[in-house]
Amino acid sequence: KQEVTQIPAALSVPEGENLVLNCSFTDSAIYNLQWFRQDPGKGLTSLLLIQSSQREQTSGRLNASLDKSSGRSTLYIAASQPGDSATYLCAAETEGYQKVTFGTGTKLQVIP
Amino acid sequence: EPEVTQTPSHQVTQMGQEVILRCVPISNHLYFYWYRQILGQKVEFLVSFYNNEISEKSEIFDDQFSVERPDGSNFTLKIRSTKLEDSAMYFCASSPAAGKSNYGYTFGSGTRLTVV
Repeated sequence: KQEVTQIPAALSVPEGENLVLNCSFTDSAIYNLQWFRQDPGKGLTSLLLIQSSQREQTSGRLNASLDKSSGRSTLYIAASQPGDSATYLCAAETEGYQKVTFGTGTKLQVIP
Repeated sequence: EPEVTQTPSHQVTQMGQEVILRCVPISNHLYFYWYRQILGQKVEFLVSFYNNEISEKSEIFDDQFSVERPDGSNFTLKIRSTKLEDSAMYFCASSPAAGKSNYGYTFGSGTRLTVV
């Protein structure tokens, strides 16, 4: 059974800092890993998708990496802004299953 | 950009009542899903649906729940005889393909269900 964990659970940084969010998964047989953003009481916005054959994906100030063999993914946010404050979720789509398994989330606060 | 649309955004129902949550997936997507998130907890998988039948379901998705694609555009989740513990945010999602997809899942903005 796939288990996805995110560290840290919460993070508070001053504006302008670069930061790294971590995601680990127990079953390395995944099709892909997706990062989402969730604002309080809102839906899930897809940020980046990394296929199992890829090492990283970039979108603007966001860079996600994937090390499938070690069961880890990281989301790097450059030059953080107050508008980046949200909860960040990773989700793994495991081979043989038609679903994604979500991590526990990292709640990020960027202080002006 | 194509969106998954969910209605209503918030629904309050009395314990024991039936509710239907509605979703319009992205039009060329073939796979549909329901997830839920109890306040302060993880997003949990409920069910996946493909080719007019359930392809996978979790232990949460018991006889109280059912899904249907009544026409070519809507995808519904019915909860019979609601319980207090059914209070959660329910998310619908769709994807063009399962597995080696370049697109991943697109989620709707959710329906907040409150059972009183």
